[in-house]
Amino acid sequence: DAGVTQSPTHLIKTRGQQVTLRCSPISGHKSVSWYQQVLGQGPQFIFQYYEKEERGRGNFPDRFSARQFPNYSSELNVNALLLGDSALYLCASSLALSTDTQYFGPGTRLTVL
Amino acid sequence: GQSLEQPSEVTAVEGAIVQINCTYQTSGFYGLSWYQQHDGGAPTFLSYNALDGLEETGRFSSFLSRSDSYGYLLLQELQMKDSASYFCAPDSWGKLQFGAGTQVVVTP
Repeated sequence: DAGVTQSPTHLIKTRGQQVTLRCSPISGHKSVSWYQQVLGQGPQFIFQYYEKEERGRGNFPDRFSARQFPNYSSELNVNALLLGDSALYLCASSLALSTDTQYFGPGTRLTVL
Repeated sequence: GQSLEQPSEVTAVEGAIVQINCTYQTSGFYGLSWYQQHDGGAPTFLSYNALDGLEETGRFSSFLSRSDSYGYLLLQELQMKDSASYFCAPDSWGKLQFGAGTQVVVTP
């Protein structure tokens, strides 16, 4: 079975631009969570979606938004990019709302210049 | 408030045993997860403790004491491939809280 997939793998943007990152969960998984990982730090929780509804939001500005589609795939949007948004963006899927086992995708490396 | 503490780095030789301690303070605690991450890779799930006690999965074991807000990950028979970052992640209201992690360096 395919694992969690994310696209694109790498992305370079300039300050002020907008970016959309995509995630496809493991087949049968209904929950998707997004994390930001800055170099040298652990992943920081951004959003959790379950059954197309937002079920949790971390400490991130409103420039960050996300949605989940009927097929359970998800998009993360970041507007008005700042240099500090440069990071690895990870998507994780799980069977249900519970986080006892989350499966992470390979991530999207975003560089903001 | 919320806090999470684990050692920044641990070095050990092949075949040795390493214990990574984790103390946490969080509201809405459901359980404690452990993840492994190699450089440039994605975090990989290792274990989850919802109840007090020891969970064993092959060479890795994880322990939780809810009353002490404390857990640990035990890595036995260390192998070179175990060199990686290890994160404890309390599950707080259904959201994982990661700290900076512990870098484990395995030497020959």
